[in-house]
Amino acid sequence: GESVGLHLPTLSVQEGDNSIINCAYSNSASDYFIWYKQESGKGPQFIIDIRSNMDKRQGQRVTVLLNKTVKHLSLQIAATQPGDSAVYFCAENTIQGAQKLVFGQGTRLTINP
Amino acid sequence: DAGVTQSPTHLIKTRGQQVTLRCSPISGHKSVSWYQQVLGQGPQFIFQYYEKEERGRGNFPDRFSARQFPNYSSELNVNALLLGDSALYLCASSLATGGAGYGYTFGSGTRLTVV
Repeated sequence: GESVGLHLPTLSVQEGDNSIINCAYSNSASDYFIWYKQESGKGPQFIIDIRSNMDKRQGQRVTVLLNKTVKHLSLQIAATQPGDSAVYFCAENTIQGAQKLVFGQGTRLTINP
Repeated sequence: DAGVTQSPTHLIKTRGQQVTLRCSPISGHKSVSWYQQVLGQGPQFIFQYYEKEERGRGNFPDRFSARQFPNYSSELNVNALLLGDSALYLCASSLATGGAGYGYTFGSGTRLTVV
């Protein structure tokens, strides 16, 4: 069946270090790949996305890398801060057909002081 | 501007009962999607509505139904509740359907507990 999965369920990093969260996806027909951040008691919050015809996109302190050869997506967070503590989900979406986001299981990022 | 509003925030129901969850999208957004998030997992797509018509349906039984009103708000109904229906139900609104991730704004969800 369809799935967007994650390699690690938890990730613990030191404040100020860079964080890398990984994701494997299965649908090579997806048009967009998206990273969401979910804090306790809240809904997913959009961080950054990348279209399938790109391999890298940068935002403020975040970079998303897409490797279509091995169906791998990663989120890099620079200079991790305490406010970055949350569960991070990758998701994929298509422009055509059923309009739905397919989410992975999530990675919990914990920041150590 | 108000974000996506969901009500109620929490509720407890008994097995076999019926529940209605409500969502008000961002002003100007015409599409509403519903997701179920079981504890420890990613959200799973249930429905998408655009301009009051169903545009997509996930792998959920017929006990789940939804509708969208002329003001673009939406209701999700679940009949004959099972313990496994306990989850956070998320509503996402967007201007249209599909495409870039930035187009979707999620509400904080309704936490449903079935006992």
